Amino acid sequence: DSGVTQTPKHLITATGQRVTLRCSPRSGDLSVYWYQQSLDQGLQFLIQYYNGEERAKGNILERFSAQQFPDLHSELNLSSLELGDSALYFCASSVDRDYGYTFGSGTRLTVV
Amino acid sequence: AQSVAQPEDQVNVAEGNPLTVKCTYSVSGNPYLFWYVQYPNRGLQFLLKYITGDNLVKGSYGFEAEFNKSQTSFHLKKPSALVSDSALYFCAVRNTGGFKTIFGAGTRLFVKA
Repeated sequence: DSGVTQTPKHLITATGQRVTLRCSPRSGDLSVYWYQQSLDQGLQFLIQYYNGEERAKGNILERFSAQQFPDLHSELNLSSLELGDSALYFCASSVDRDYGYTFGSGTRLTVV
Repeated sequence: AQSVAQPEDQVNVAEGNPLTVKCTYSVSGNPYLFWYVQYPNRGLQFLLKYITGDNLVKGSYGFEAEFNKSQTSFHLKKPSALVSDSALYFCAVRNTGGFKTIFGAGTRLFVKA
């Protein structure tokens, strides 16, 4: 157990639907990062939060949004889902950006 | 813009032999460099990082990496490979002052007994 908890582990949903992925960072970590891992795109940075504030944005689609709550957990919302959104979504946390990240086990999203 | 390249999709090595997994980067300013390992059906695990100081960085599980500024490289090495080292390895880079860490495409290491 890395200390970063992601739920659910697996999610199967239909095109056009909306899902929410949840991440609880390791205790004491203020930064949360979301990454998408797919076979053809590799590991793509989506977004980063630090203590509730958005710090950096990567290749995140407009259909996707995220937030970090006061208790530091984070949610990634994916809407109007398309087949191409099927991927493994990882959350990671760190004390701050100079430290290595601790990754969760990921949420495998399958859009059918 | 920052980028990182892992030129080899797969590296094959015999158990007991030294291994090298290559990484080159492009970043404005001084780089912060990282290596991670991913085992099947698991999240990535942090191995080591270079921020400043000694060009040879030691990390977890006997791995080390050498920072070479002139060649913009940060190759991962281990003197003696184990079958259990077989996994997917990712190099990552962030520029000083930035917040985005960019990962390479990954290199699959296969260690044969």
